[in-house]
Amino acid sequence: VHLQESGPGLVRPSQTLSLTCAVSGDAITDGRSPAGRSYWSWLRQLPGKGLEWIGFISNTGATFYNPSLESRVTISADTSKNHFSLEMTSVTAADTALYYCARDRPGIVAPASIFDFWGQGTMVAVSS
Amino acid sequence: DFQMTQSPSSLSASIGQTVTITCRASQDISESLAWYQQKPGKAPRLLLFSTSNLESGVPSRFSGSGSGTDYTLTISSLQPEDFATYFCQQYFNTPPTFGQGTQVEI
Repeated sequence: VHLQESGPGLVRPSQTLSLTCAVSGDAITDGRSPAGRSYWSWLRQLPGKGLEWIGFISNTGATFYNPSLESRVTISADTSKNHFSLEMTSVTAADTALYYCARDRPGIVAPASIFDFWGQGTMVAVSS
Repeated sequence: DFQMTQSPSSLSASIGQTVTITCRASQDISESLAWYQQKPGKAPRLLLFSTSNLESGVPSRFSGSGSGTDYTLTISSLQPEDFATYFCQQYFNTPPTFGQGTQVEI
């Protein structure tokens, strides 16, 4: 399974950040857990800080977001291209980070929020 | 959110040594803990989940233990490829949250 993030490396303050995660080796529409579900997440690593989970989209299109970001975030999927995307509105310098996409590890409990495959990450700077 | 506190933030060790990293949760996470390894410029790699379950392909020198709020990652007989940053993550509560990381240096 391979994930690859892409998107602009620089976003102006107050604008919208848009990133895409291309998935190969697995289909984002396949439900691999016993419950027939799979989950695909976005996370970010703020400079000098730990990782922050942003949200996920399931193979059925259901989404769930970190409450701290929920008002500004949308995750969507393009099943024809086997990729999923992140949009974050009204960005500020505090959103400057390394953004990752990741797969939720299939298991009995879904979503498990255990991330077994990650992309390499894409750096996004918010600056004028 | 559940806060995860790792210690130490960094440590120096030699090849062959055993190192221990601690992760403390702000509340009981019922062993819903994962550990990741991250090397510079690389994606995090899942090492263990459910406190002590080794992910497929991970060497057996990595082990985990703990319960309640206190958890430990142990690396036995440190190898050159083990020098990296290690993160803990709880998934008992949503949103999942991560520790700040422990850098293991030569």
